[in-house]
Amino acid sequence: AQKVTQAQTEISVVEKEDVTLDCVYETRDTTYYLFWYKQPPSGELVFLIRRNSFDEQNEISGRYSWNFQKSTSSFNFTITASQVVDSAVYFCALSEARTNAGKSTFGDGTTLTVKP
Amino acid sequence: GAGVSQSPSNKVTEKGKDVELRCDPISGHTALYWYRQSLGQGLEFLIYFQGNSAPDKSGLPSDRFSAERTGGSVSTLTIQRTQQEDSAVYLCASSPRTSGGRGGELFFGEGSRLTVL
Repeated sequence: AQKVTQAQTEISVVEKEDVTLDCVYETRDTTYYLFWYKQPPSGELVFLIRRNSFDEQNEISGRYSWNFQKSTSSFNFTITASQVVDSAVYFCALSEARTNAGKSTFGDGTTLTVKP
Repeated sequence: GAGVSQSPSNKVTEKGKDVELRCDPISGHTALYWYRQSLGQGLEFLIYFQGNSAPDKSGLPSDRFSAERTGGSVSTLTIQRTQQEDSAVYLCASSPRTSGGRGGELFFGEGSRLTVL
C-alpha cells in the first residue's frame, strides 16, 4: 500500500524567510510519480510539480525548489524568500506511474502561513 | 471552459436524501477523477474514468455512492440516502493522460461542499 506522510501540520514564518515542507512516502512500486499541489484559501487545488521515480535531479522554479531523495523516500519542497501569497495548504501526493498516474495517494497537507 | 467546472458549489441536504454533484472537465482531457476532502484532512480517491474503459470504483466508500460519465465528458457523482459522515468537499479533477509512464497531473475544480444535516 502507498502512504504519504507530511509530518508538519502547520508552519508559520515571517515574510522573506525560507521554508521547507517535508514529504516522506512509502510504496512498493518501482516506478511512481510524486507531486506537490497548492491549495490557497480560495480552495482550488493547483498542480505545482510532478517527479518521476527514475529522475532524482532536483528542480528549481523561481522561488520554488524540490529535493527528491530516493534513498530516504523523501520529496521535500522549499520556498525561498517566502511571500504572503505563499500562504496555503500544500499537499504531497504519490501515484503508480504505469497504469493510473492520476490515482494519487495524498498526504494530509501542511498549512503554511506567511506573515508580513 | 478553461478549467474544471463543478456544481453546485454548496449543497445542504437532510440526512437520507439523495444528492447529485456535477463535473465538467477540461475539454480534451480523457481522464476524470472524483476525490473527497474531509475537514482538515487530505484527499481521498473515489472513482476514475478513462475514455471508454470500465471505471475504477475502488475508492467508493459504500454502495450508496455511484458515478457516471456520459459521452466521455460530463460526470455526475450520486450519493443516495446521505449520512452525516458524507459531509465533505467533493473534488473533481481531469487529466490529459494517465498511463504509459506519462502524465498524472490533476487539474481540479473548486469543489462541491456537501453538508448533511
